[in-house]
Amino acid sequence: AQTVTQSQPEMSVQEAETVTLSCTYDTSESDYYLFWYKQPPSRQMILVIRQEAYKQQNATENRFSVNFQKAAKSFSLKISDSQLGDAAMYFCAYRRGFGGSQGNLIFGKGTKLSVKP
Amino acid sequence: ETGVTQTPRHLVMGMTNKKSLKCEQHLGHNAMYWYKQSAKKPLELMFVYSLEERVENNSVPSRFSPECPNSSHLFLHLHTLQPEDSALYLCASSQDSKRSAYNEQFFGPGTRLTVL
Repeated sequence: AQTVTQSQPEMSVQEAETVTLSCTYDTSESDYYLFWYKQPPSRQMILVIRQEAYKQQNATENRFSVNFQKAAKSFSLKISDSQLGDAAMYFCAYRRGFGGSQGNLIFGKGTKLSVKP
Repeated sequence: ETGVTQTPRHLVMGMTNKKSLKCEQHLGHNAMYWYKQSAKKPLELMFVYSLEERVENNSVPSRFSPECPNSSHLFLHLHTLQPEDSALYLCASSQDSKRSAYNEQFFGPGTRLTVL
């Protein structure tokens, strides 16, 4: 069975600095997708960034980028120029290749990120 | 209304009560999900309605009963719950296809449930 591990329950970063959140996963599949979701205190979960396993290039979305190491099964999230609005719970998630019942997300326990002004 | 909405946002119920959580998606999606979010635990997928099939997590107790009357609405019926069922219940939707390589899930704000 697939598992997702986030080893950092809490992280803190100074405003305008860079922080990296760790995520590792375990799977025997070759075709899958990885996601980082953000859940602010308002509780609405939103997608931050996604990565297709077949792509070697790391995904980027503005200040958010990932370091995807497929062989190591590692998928870390880097937040550059941290802003106060980045404070939230961040969840790493894994999904198998296709839809239907195979498309279910498997989440890690989350990392609570605090941003200091 | 846009996106995924959930009602009520907060619910307090006794163990003998029967209540229902409602989720509605306004995105034209064809798949809907119920998740349970407890403190210090990973989000737990409870039920999926996708491509006209229902998938359930076998560890979910029978006191939780889902209903999906159409592709836009999803209910979670609750009866004789236990205090350990207190949690945030999240609904999500996606546009799903067996041929699609990717389907982003959009989440609702959740219902904070407290069982006394």
